[in-house]
Amino acid sequence: GAVVSQHPSWVICKSGTSVKIECRSLDFQATTMFWYRQFPKQSLMLMATSNEGSKATYEQGVEKDKFLINHASLTLSTLTVTSAHPEDSSFYICSARAAGGLGGYTFGSGTRLTVV
Amino acid sequence: ILNVEQSPQSLHVQEGDSTNFTCSFPSSNFYALHWYRWETAKSPEALFVMTLNGDEKKKGRISATLNTKEGYSYLYIKGSQPEDSATYLCAFPPGGSNYKLTFGKGTLLTVNP
Repeated sequence: GAVVSQHPSWVICKSGTSVKIECRSLDFQATTMFWYRQFPKQSLMLMATSNEGSKATYEQGVEKDKFLINHASLTLSTLTVTSAHPEDSSFYICSARAAGGLGGYTFGSGTRLTVV
Repeated sequence: ILNVEQSPQSLHVQEGDSTNFTCSFPSSNFYALHWYRWETAKSPEALFVMTLNGDEKKKGRISATLNTKEGYSYLYIKGSQPEDSATYLCAFPPGGSNYKLTFGKGTLLTVNP
């Protein structure tokens, strides 16, 4: 079945630094990837929709200059948290659906980001 | 209901028990309802995508029903096993298109051996 590989699974960084999270679709082409964030005891919240070859679409309240999304190929989307602060500490997860697929979405395994 | 609501928040059952939980969603402009199983340290796994009112889907011991007119879906697990322990998420695409999803907080199921 469809697989999305997400790396790293966890990362600790210093406040003010940037962190890049990668999501790769291993056996299908993902023209669209979705980036979610989950805070403790909350639901997965959509941050942005990543479209191959074009600019990402950000949800209301998500700073596009802080959360840089690049979707340069049909199999790779990256989320870069720039100038990270402790309040950016969260669980980030991506998802995609194979083109023409009618089923559910395929998720990465998520990245736990801790900013110290 | 403006968002997705799931109940209960958590559930502990004994191995062999059957259980069910609820997902409530806005009934207007319905397009689809998704169910996912999310085991700790793994990726959420798609269980069902339901689109038709009255639909019932089954996958092994897990089944789901859908009522789009009143805006709810039930997920049933028959004869729970420890390996069923996971968080069960439901999600729907707002705006009437099968695109981005709005998720509930999930129901955490723990099956004790």
